[in-house]
Amino acid sequence: GAVVSQHPSWVICKSGTSVKIECRSLDFQATTMFWYRQFPKQSLMLMATSNEGSKATYEQGVEKDKFLINHASLTLSTLTVTSAHPEDSSFYICSAALAASGGYTFGSGTRLTVV
Amino acid sequence: DQQVKQNSPSLSVQEGRISILNCDYTNSMFDYFLWYKKYPAEGPTFLISISSIKDKNEDGRFTVFLNKSAKHLSLHIVPSQPGDSAVYFCAASGGGADGLTFGKGTHLIIQP
Repeated sequence: GAVVSQHPSWVICKSGTSVKIECRSLDFQATTMFWYRQFPKQSLMLMATSNEGSKATYEQGVEKDKFLINHASLTLSTLTVTSAHPEDSSFYICSAALAASGGYTFGSGTRLTVV
Repeated sequence: DQQVKQNSPSLSVQEGRISILNCDYTNSMFDYFLWYKKYPAEGPTFLISISSIKDKNEDGRFTVFLNKSAKHLSLHIVPSQPGDSAVYFCAASGGGADGLTFGKGTHLIIQP
C-alpha cells in the first residue's frame, strides 16, 4: 500500500534554532501533501497544503515564515520550523493525498520538543 | 468554530459488545468522511471512509453510517476487541485536494 515515511520521529532542539522534518512517499508519487499539528489531547489541525513545484497554502493563523514548507519533488516534502520556541513543541504529522483512491495516508509523526 | 465535533471524549465498552462512536459536522460542503485510529506518538491509521452519496459503508467489523440531513455520522465496531482500544478520530473533507478537518477524538476503552 501507499506508505509515507516521516523523519525524525522525535527531536529536541534549543530555543532559537531551526528544525527540518522530512516526509517521503515511498512507493507512489505524492502531488499533494499536507502538514498537521497536534497538541496534547487535541485534534489534528491542518497547517498547510503543499503541491509539488508550487508554493504551499497555509491555513489561517499559521505563520508561513515560521513554518517553511518545500515540496520540490513528487516524493519529498519538508517542513522547517524556524527560530523554534517552546510553544512550537507539538506533534507534527504529514499526509499525502492518494489520487487513485481519493484517500489519504499519514506519516508516523514527529514529536518536537523545544527547550 | 469546530466544524467536526466528537462530543464524547471517552467511551468504555465491554469486549464482544458493539462500540458506537459518534461524530457531527457543521460544514455542508464536506462530502467525504473518514475514521482513523490513533495511538499516542504515532500517525493516524485509516479505518474506513464514506462518500456523501452513500449512507452506509461496511468493512469487516467496521461500519460507518452517514445521516446527511442530520450532519451526523457514526462508526460501529462489532464485536469489540481489546486491540480496538485507542483514540478514534472522525475527519471530513470537501473533496478534491482538500486537507482533512478532524474532530477532537474519542478514547475507546475495551474492557475484558
